[in-house]
Amino acid sequence: DSGVTQTPKHLITATGQRVTLRCSPRSGDLSVYWYQQSLDQGLQFLIQYYNGEERAKGNILERFSAQQFPDLHSELNLSSLELGDSALYFCASRGVDEKLFFGSGTQLSVL
Amino acid sequence: GESVGLHLPTLSVQEGDNSIINCAYSNSASDYFIWYKQESGKGPQFIIDIRSNMDKRQGQRVTVLLNKTVKHLSLQIAATQPGDSAVYFCAENPRGAGSYQLTFGKGTKLSVIP
Repeated sequence: DSGVTQTPKHLITATGQRVTLRCSPRSGDLSVYWYQQSLDQGLQFLIQYYNGEERAKGNILERFSAQQFPDLHSELNLSSLELGDSALYFCASRGVDEKLFFGSGTQLSVL
Repeated sequence: GESVGLHLPTLSVQEGDNSIINCAYSNSASDYFIWYKQESGKGPQFIIDIRSNMDKRQGQRVTVLLNKTVKHLSLQIAATQPGDSAVYFCAENPRGAGSYQLTFGKGTKLSVIP
């Protein structure tokens, strides 16, 4: 167990809908990273937050957004969903040990 | 139509043998490299890391070798066990100190034959 908690584990929704994925980092970790894993693109960095502030953006679509709350949990919001958004979405946290630990992911299926 | 999935290289080894998984990275400015193991239905699990000022690092049953000249990374697993069966990813940190916006390789599937 990495200590990073993601909910829900599975999410099935329809095109055009909006969903929210939730992540609780390891206790004490201030940095949260979101990654997308798809069959054709592999694991891709989406966005990073540090202590509530956005630090870096990767290959994140404009339809996607995220935030980190004062209690350090983070949410990834995906809107106007398309079939191609179906993927595994991972959250990772990093602490003073500088290692990135991943949660078990949310499997998103857009039908 | 049929979608084209990610074709993963596969390595099959006999239980008890040593495994070597290779990875070519892309950015000569990368300063930090990590190997992750991903089992079915789980997130990537940290195995071992190495910084660019080293060329070898050993853990428990695992060794990572870094060759910066040819931008090559390898993971050696000693006495491979059935529990080692998984997809292994190398990752690099291309943006330098503090970023950790990792770039992942496409992965290698390790199958251990009992």
